[in-house]
Amino acid sequence: DGGITQSPKYLFRKEGQNVTLSCEQNLNHDAMYWYRQDPGQGLRLIYYSQIVNDFQKGDIAEGYSVSREKKESFPLTVTSAQKNPTAFYLCASSTHQGTSYEQYFGPGTRLTVT
Amino acid sequence: DAKTTQPNSMESNEEEPVHLPCNHSTISGTDYIHWYRQLPSQGPEYVIHGLTSNVNNRMASLAIAEDRKSSTLILHRATLRDAAVYYCILRGGGADGLTFGKGTHLIIQP
Repeated sequence: DGGITQSPKYLFRKEGQNVTLSCEQNLNHDAMYWYRQDPGQGLRLIYYSQIVNDFQKGDIAEGYSVSREKKESFPLTVTSAQKNPTAFYLCASSTHQGTSYEQYFGPGTRLTVT
Repeated sequence: DAKTTQPNSMESNEEEPVHLPCNHSTISGTDYIHWYRQLPSQGPEYVIHGLTSNVNNRMASLAIAEDRKSSTLILHRATLRDAAVYYCILRGGGADGLTFGKGTHLIIQP
């Protein structure tokens, strides 16, 4: 099955530790995205990448870092500099074909930092 | 990105049509209107998109006002599985990220 996988589903970390969230897609999509969602809120864009070895900051990039070494992978590192890291993290991908740029989302990783 | 306005919540009965409104008075000529929905504890799911003309697909219909300042997502026969938060999003051309508001929480009564 084609799709986006995120692992793990739940992640617990102590404050002060960096943590890396995995995102893999086998849809052959060029663009990939990371969003954060807090309770009762919409998604906010953290970083996105339209092509391998290139990425752009979104609206809330501070305290996060990404890499895009392979087309199918776009890991997100939540650093100790992120003040409120506890949230639901969603990864997405989209094609550059046509006009839709429809985004396909993964199941998400729920990160809890204590 | 231009802003959209949606009701916080709506309630409907199972097997009845649902009309979810969205206002976007500052839409630009090149903005597409996209709808996504999010079930509890899941990632959002694409529903439909359009530019000027009304659109239909297997999930829903999208009715766009002639002046494009508003649109309506139509679920023709709601089921309990349609209970979700529905987001109306404006998107220019290109593969930039999406800007989500709080959306409309749709409640379906059996």
